[in-house]
Amino acid sequence: ILNVEQSPQSLHVQEGDSTNFTCSFPSSNFYALHWYRWETAKSPEALFVMTLNGDEKKKGRISATLNTKEGYSYLYIKGSQPEDSATYLCASPYSGAGSYQLTFGKGTKLSVIP
Amino acid sequence: DGGITQSPKYLFRKEGQNVTLSCEQNLNHDAMYWYRQDPGQGLRLIYYSQIVNDFQKGDIAEGYSVSREKKESFPLTVTSAQKNPTAFYLCASTDGQGARPLHFGNGTRLTVT
Repeated sequence: ILNVEQSPQSLHVQEGDSTNFTCSFPSSNFYALHWYRWETAKSPEALFVMTLNGDEKKKGRISATLNTKEGYSYLYIKGSQPEDSATYLCASPYSGAGSYQLTFGKGTKLSVIP
Repeated sequence: DGGITQSPKYLFRKEGQNVTLSCEQNLNHDAMYWYRQDPGQGLRLIYYSQIVNDFQKGDIAEGYSVSREKKESFPLTVTSAQKNPTAFYLCASTDGQGARPLHFGNGTRLTVT
């Protein structure tokens, strides 16, 4: 089983603050790194899928970076809003024959205080 | 609108009974997945299917069974052999391998007493 770790486990920020959190994964046999946002009472929604070292992706106020050599990805939220409150999950698939199997981290729960 | 439908949203069963969770998608995706979530844990893969009539065990397949007779449908049966069946179950699908995003259903919360 792939070991995907996320930190911190939870985070409380004030509205307007910028924040970031980390996903770490094994750097060997890297294939892809996924980020999902999971709001309460909704289904997880894909934010980004990244495959290349040094890749940066952006969606509105949310962006992500990827370092496959050292095995980590950062998710940044600029100017947090209450609607950003959610659990953010990262996941990575096994490489090779098992690349359909995604392993998820435990998530970072973000609460944005108005 | 295309999407994944899981039913029911809440399910209650007595210990010792098998129960089947439904997952239907109209996204024309080949691959479908079942994940389980427990408090304090990440999503854990139960079974996945890359194509019709084929499926593979995930990390925690013991006590579960699946079928994939149609592209649109991937039902999960929680058998009486599953020691801790009470959990939140998520179904997902994708149109490719590990570099394609998953699309998730809204989940089924199963409580076994």
